Amino acid sequence: GESVGLHLPTLSVQEGDNSIINCAYSNSASDYFIWYKQESGKGPQFIIDIRSNMDKRQGQRVTVLLNKTVKHLSLQIAATQPGDSAVYFCAENQGAQKLVFGQGTRLTINP
Amino acid sequence: NAGVMQNPRHLVRRRGQEARLRCSPMKGHSHVYWYRQLPEEGLKFMVYLQKENIIDESGMPKERFSAEFPKEGPSILRIQQVVRGDSAAYFCASSPGQSDQPQHFGDGTRLSIL
Repeated sequence: GESVGLHLPTLSVQEGDNSIINCAYSNSASDYFIWYKQESGKGPQFIIDIRSNMDKRQGQRVTVLLNKTVKHLSLQIAATQPGDSAVYFCAENQGAQKLVFGQGTRLTINP
Repeated sequence: NAGVMQNPRHLVRRRGQEARLRCSPMKGHSHVYWYRQLPEEGLKFMVYLQKENIIDESGMPKERFSAEFPKEGPSILRIQQVVRGDSAAYFCASSPGQSDQPQHFGDGTRLSIL
């Protein structure tokens, strides 16, 4: 069936560097995408979202890029900090409010 | 800051018992969603409810699982006759209901079956 997947299960970066987390989706009908951050023992925390009629959206230190041609989504985190260490999930809204989550990428920040 | 509230945070049950998980949505949100997460995996959709209505239960097992969101009070996810395979983290989310509005999650209930 349709699913959202991530290219890399783990990512290690140096503190202060930029991080890029990638996500591939397969449902071309999905029109809304969300990035969540999940810390150990907690629920997913909303980071940023993007609608399918956009290709880029920026927040505070984060940018989401959407490439509908290749069905690819990415999350860029600028100047990563120790507090950015977490598992990051992309999720797509496949209609009727049902979110489909990817497996997740564990981001580790090295001092 | 009244976010999505779930309780209990941890629940231990023996095989064959019943588990009841509760979720109070964010203030102003009338749409509730339940998801299940196994270790090292993403969340899997179970059910979507509005007040007194089940909108989509396509992700919920047909037997032993049920969900409700009554007119008054929290949403309840109920698992009857629990088995070891029910051990997981169960997350509730809420939203205002529009398709381009994010769902906001609680911190989940960790269910352990002995």
